[in-house]
Amino acid sequence: DAGITQSPRHKVTETGTPVTLRCHQTENHRYMYWYRQDPGHGLRLIHYSYGVKDTDKGEVSDGYSVSRSKTEDFLLTLESATSSQTSVYFCAISESIKRGNNEQFFGPGTRLTVL
Amino acid sequence: SQQGEEDPQALSIQEGENATMNCSYKTSINNLQWYRQNSGRGLVHLILIRSNEREKHSGRLRVTLDTSKKSSSLLITASRAADTASYFCATDIRGGGADGLTFGKGTHLIIQP
Repeated sequence: DAGITQSPRHKVTETGTPVTLRCHQTENHRYMYWYRQDPGHGLRLIHYSYGVKDTDKGEVSDGYSVSRSKTEDFLLTLESATSSQTSVYFCAISESIKRGNNEQFFGPGTRLTVL
Repeated sequence: SQQGEEDPQALSIQEGENATMNCSYKTSINNLQWYRQNSGRGLVHLILIRSNEREKHSGRLRVTLDTSKKSSSLLITASRAADTASYFCATDIRGGGADGLTFGKGTHLIIQP
C-alpha cells in the first residue's frame, strides 16, 4: 500500500456529537480526497484538497468540513454527526491531476457508525 | 447521475474462466481507470487507459476503450480465487479540475474454486 493511514479505523458515536477523521500520507502528494462508500452508491466525493489550505467541495459535502494545514494531513470533520453519515470513509491521494498521471492511491478506510 | 456505470453488477464464474466487466460513461474523458477493492479494504489502482488508446494489457488484465461508444471493458483471463473482489471504473472527465475521478458503483466478481 502507498503510505496512507487513516485514523481511527473504526468508530461508533452518537447522533449530534462531533467527529474528526484523519488521513495521513508519507508520499508528499499534492492532491488529497475524502470519499464515502455506501451500498448502492459506490464512491462519492465529499471534499478534496489541491494544496495546503486549499480545499473545495465535492458531490456530497453537506454536513462535512475539512482542513489541511500540512501536506501530509487531511482532516474530515462531521460537526454534528447524523445517522445518515454512517458509512465507510476513504481517503485517497494523487500526485498529479494531469492527463495520464492521475491515478489515486487509497487508504484502508474508516468505518463510522452513528447511533 | 453516475458518470461511469459498470455492468454486470455481480458476476460469478469458475476458477480458470475469463471474466469480463463493462463500463459505460456519459461525457468525454481524458482517461479511464480500473480499480479493485477486496472486501474491507481500500481501492487499488489496476490500469489506466488514455482516451487516444484502444487497448492496454497488464499481466492477466486486458482493457479496451471505445470512445465512440463511450464504453470500456476489463477482461481478466484465467481467473483465480484471489481475483474475487469488486471492480470499479473511474473516469477523468475532460475539462475536469482537481476534483479528480468519478467512480462507478462497481462489479462484484466471485471466483468459484
